[in-house]
Amino acid sequence: DGGITQSPKYLFRKEGQNVTLSCEQNLNHDAMYWYRQDPGQGLRLIYYSQIVNDFQKGDIAEGYSVSREKKESFPLTVTSAQKNPTAFYLCASSIDPGGQPQHFGDGTRLSIL
Amino acid sequence: AQSVTQPDIHITVSEGASLELRCNYSYGATPYLFWYVQSPGQGLQLLLKYFSGDTLVQGIKGFEAEFKRSQSSFNLRKPSVHWSDAAEYFCAVGVLSGGYNKLIFGAGTRLAVHP
Repeated sequence: DGGITQSPKYLFRKEGQNVTLSCEQNLNHDAMYWYRQDPGQGLRLIYYSQIVNDFQKGDIAEGYSVSREKKESFPLTVTSAQKNPTAFYLCASSIDPGGQPQHFGDGTRLSIL
Repeated sequence: AQSVTQPDIHITVSEGASLELRCNYSYGATPYLFWYVQSPGQGLQLLLKYFSGDTLVQGIKGFEAEFKRSQSSFNLRKPSVHWSDAAEYFCAVGVLSGGYNKLIFGAGTRLAVHP
């Protein structure tokens, strides 16, 4: 079955450490997105990519970085510059580069040690 | 500023009862509107969406939503709730901002279902 796979499901970060969250899709979708979810809040857009080798900052990109070297993959790096990284991170995709996310992965929960 | 308000943080209903989850939005142009459902520890699943046309939209799992422009609302309804409907529900509006389409989410409504 086609879908989005996020790994790991749980991740712990030490102070000053960079960590990378994986997102892979086999839906052949052009657009991919990263969202952050905090308790009692809706999702907020970190980065999005409409096509391979291209990506744009969302509303809360500071302290994060991404790459889009392959259509299927859109990894998110949470850098040490992100001072409050504890959250639930969701990856999503859309067949339409200009459209809204249609499919979501099951998320990665990141915590600080 | 664009925003989405879901006034109810928690709602509890009995199984078999009807359900209405409220959503109000603020956006100057014609909105694209969405409802998503999230089970604990899972991603979001799209329930339904409104782009144009008939203001009553049918979705999956027996849900429907009605777009009311005069009230800036897009409330989600289900005539008879099942225990498996217990989850968190998010309303979102699609807007054009900074040259790209993005979703603005409400804070969510957590639904509990009593047997």
